[in-house]
Amino acid sequence: GAGVSQSPSNKVTEKGKDVELRCDPISGHTALYWYRQSLGQGLEFLIYFQGNSAPDKSGLPSDRFSAERTGGSVSTLTIQRTQQEDSAVYLCASSLNRASYGYTFGSGTRLTVV
Amino acid sequence: GENVEQHPSTLSVQEGDSAVIKCTYSDSASNYFPWYKQELGKGPQLIIDIRSNVGEKKDQRIAVTLNKTAKHFSLHITETQPEDSAVYFCAARGGTGGGNKLTFGTGTQLKVEL
Repeated sequence: GAGVSQSPSNKVTEKGKDVELRCDPISGHTALYWYRQSLGQGLEFLIYFQGNSAPDKSGLPSDRFSAERTGGSVSTLTIQRTQQEDSAVYLCASSLNRASYGYTFGSGTRLTVV
Repeated sequence: GENVEQHPSTLSVQEGDSAVIKCTYSDSASNYFPWYKQELGKGPQLIIDIRSNVGEKKDQRIAVTLNKTAKHFSLHITETQPEDSAVYFCAARGGTGGGNKLTFGTGTQLKVEL
C-alpha cells in the first residue's frame, strides 16, 4: 500500500480481555517495528521484525504481550489480560530493510482499557 | 542501551521567530539521528535526519546540527509558522548491537502563536 496501515484506529476494551492490533506495512518493506506511546511520553520500543530472522523482543514489557508477522508482511500485536496501564497509542512502523535508516509510521491504534 | 534526553518539553514562540530543540544521547557509537513531527491524531513523520559523518544539514526552514564529541544534536526551525505547531521527537539509532531500532526522546510540544 501507499503507507503503513493500522487497525483498528481506536479500541476500547474491558480490563482482563485480550486485544489484537494489526499492522500492514508498506509493500516491500522487510523491517517492521512496534512502539508504544503513553500520554505525555516518548515512543517506547516493543518489538522489531527483520525479514525471516528471529524478532527482537527486548522491549516487550511483560509476557502478556506478543507479536507475530505472517509471510513477512502483516503483523499482529496481541495483549492478553489487558490492564489499565496498557492504555496507550500503539504505533507500527516499517522500513525498506535493516540497513535502511528511515522509518514510516502508521497513524496508530489508541487503546483504552476500562 | 541507548538513552536519549530531549529539552524543552514545551516551547512557545511567536510566529516568525526561531525555535530550537536540543537532544543528548549516550551511545557514542550511534550513527543516525532523525527528527519526527507528530500532529494530533497522526503518526510521527520524518522531517529531517543527519548521519554521524556530517555536522549540519539544512532543508528550507529547518536545520539539524550534530556535535559527536559532546553527543548532542539540535533541531532549528526558522521563520516559524502556525502549521509548525506539533510535537517534535528526536531519536538516535544505536551503533552497538541495537539493530536498526531507534531510541526516541520524550518529545517537545511546540506552539507557534500568532
